[in-house]
Amino acid sequence: AAGVIQSPRHLIKEKRETATLKCYPIPRHDTVYWYQQGPGQDPQFLISFYEKMQSDKGSIPDRFSAQQFSDYHSELNMSSLELGDSALYFCASTSSGQRHYEQYFGPGTRLTVT
Amino acid sequence: AQKVTQAQTEISVVEKEDVTLDCVYETRDTTYYLFWYKQPPSGELVFLIRRNSFDEQNEISGRYSWNFQKSTSSFNFTITASQVVDSAVYFCALSEVGNTPLVFGKGTRLSVIA
Repeated sequence: AAGVIQSPRHLIKEKRETATLKCYPIPRHDTVYWYQQGPGQDPQFLISFYEKMQSDKGSIPDRFSAQQFSDYHSELNMSSLELGDSALYFCASTSSGQRHYEQYFGPGTRLTVT
Repeated sequence: AQKVTQAQTEISVVEKEDVTLDCVYETRDTTYYLFWYKQPPSGELVFLIRRNSFDEQNEISGRYSWNFQKSTSSFNFTITASQVVDSAVYFCALSEVGNTPLVFGKGTRLSVIA
């Protein structure tokens, strides 16, 4: 079965650079969530989209922005990168038509800021 | 506000021992979902189980079992006859009904020693 795809899987950037992470949800899933997991931490919710509209917002820095496109894929744009942005970024998708709203996680993008 | 507490930061057991990972949650909602995820050293989040608040039946899946008790707001996870491959960080998570983000506990790092 198709799973959530995230690209790139690994990314190395320098301070003050920008980065774009991409997420391709499971086909027919209309909702995408972004989570950030710092080293030794639990995943923290950043932002979510339902039907291309922002549905919920968590602890996302102002330097970050995200959107969901017409094909339901989502991109997380990160600017003025800081060392503290080094983390594993997960995307998860779900279908609002699903009874249990289970979120299916992608493999994550490991971002290293040097 | 929702909160998930995993009081055990790290647990170390010898192979073939049984081990229980504790999870205590807080929520004002009467309907909610509880989850357990496994995160091996490779970093991906592996879904283990979902339980809704109306289903207090315990569940067993192979060497894994879960004990959900609403009276104590706990959703504990037991691994029977642990194996080295069970070594990972285990997260308990909570979500409200609907397209809502997951709230994770801090995780429990389990080390199974041969």
